[in-house]
Amino acid sequence: AQSVTQPDIHITVSEGASLELRCNYSYGATPYLFWYVQSPGQGLQLLLKYFSGDTLVQGIKGFEAEFKRSQSSFNLRKPSVHWSDAAEYFCAVGVSYSSASKIIFGSGTRLSIRP
Amino acid sequence: DGGITQSPKYLFRKEGQNVTLSCEQNLNHDAMYWYRQDPGQGLRLIYYSQIVNDFQKGDIAEGYSVSREKKESFPLTVTSAQKNPTAFYLCASSTGYTGELFFGEGSRLTVL
Repeated sequence: AQSVTQPDIHITVSEGASLELRCNYSYGATPYLFWYVQSPGQGLQLLLKYFSGDTLVQGIKGFEAEFKRSQSSFNLRKPSVHWSDAAEYFCAVGVSYSSASKIIFGSGTRLSIRP
Repeated sequence: DGGITQSPKYLFRKEGQNVTLSCEQNLNHDAMYWYRQDPGQGLRLIYYSQIVNDFQKGDIAEGYSVSREKKESFPLTVTSAQKNPTAFYLCASSTGYTGELFFGEGSRLTVL
């Protein structure tokens, strides 16, 4: 069965430091991959997505992610975090290109920023 | 401004009562979804609809019901059969083509 694993429940980084959030998926074919961000008490906003092509994808707010097929990973990175990046981050995999109903979410990683 | 509107934002109900959460979108999206979010469990799909007058169960549909009479609207009823209804509920929509979901701001239901 398809699944998404975010191994880090909570990460704290200092403002200005680099960030990497891990995501691993389980799916037999090439998946469609997403990262979403959620501020407390709010809905989710798409940061970036990978469908095909260049395995390094750029998103909003200075985030990027790299798809590594050999590792079944889609890690999210940012070179220098800002206090406003504190939020919960969800990795998601879509197993059907034409049907968003098959999007499966990871359990999320909460990011805290140390001043 | 196009978007998804969920109401109410906060809702308190007594055990055994049915409650209905509203979700309206003006994005002209065909597909709409309801997710439940609990701490540490990510988002779990309750129901989804890819076209008017049609909907399918997601992974945790028991104790919930939906309708899709209009393209813009996809209300969720949390029935008394739902054993643990206290949660944060998120509605989303999609064109269904890109896979990108657009979310509302959520409704927090607390059953006392």
